Amino acid sequence: DTGVSQNPRHKITKRGQNVTFRCDPISEHNRLYWYRQTLGQGPEFLTYFQNEAQLEKSRLLSDRFSAERPKGSFSTLEIQRTEQGDSAMYLCASSARTSGYSETQYFGPGTRLLVL
Amino acid sequence: DQQVKQNSPSLSVQEGRISILNCDYTNSMFDYFLWYKKYPAEGPTFLISISSIKDKNEDGRFTVFLNKSAKHLSLHIVPSQPGDSAVYFCAASATASKLTFGTGTRLQVTL
Repeated sequence: DTGVSQNPRHKITKRGQNVTFRCDPISEHNRLYWYRQTLGQGPEFLTYFQNEAQLEKSRLLSDRFSAERPKGSFSTLEIQRTEQGDSAMYLCASSARTSGYSETQYFGPGTRLLVL
Repeated sequence: DQQVKQNSPSLSVQEGRISILNCDYTNSMFDYFLWYKKYPAEGPTFLISISSIKDKNEDGRFTVFLNKSAKHLSLHIVPSQPGDSAVYFCAASATASKLTFGTGTRLQVTL
């Protein structure tokens, strides 16, 4: 299977703990995106990378969130001092950046986080 | 500020009939539009896309129409099948970057 993979699929943690999620993109894709989805809403952009460079972060992303893509392959998203409001589905997507304006992002299965 | 809107939270269609899902956007910088299908506890699955230079794109049972002057796009599914029952998200991007999603429309295809 050469799709986007995410681990873990589910995470339950206590408020105040740190959590880290991993995303492995489609192998030839140079762009990697993180989104967050809460109940009844569409996915909301958090940040994205082109190769190892983080090109944009959402203004909604607090300082407790950090993402890395150290070698331009897999990426990690860490949430420090989790809060109950962080409970959501965290989605990763990848795409192949080409010339032009069309770029289709392919999503992984997501990591569902529950903060107690 | 909701830049992409799906005003119908749900839609029920009989098997074999046409399903029409609608989406409106406000940002005139959007130049690429996509539809995703999502089952519970799974990530969105890409269905079909259209660039702003076109007004129609077809792929099998799925057709997307874009009306730039009205800032409106629609997804037509013909014929609808029970396996099409899912939540459908409209998404848009400007110059190949982050996606902005609507809130989704739940489609139920009944027998």
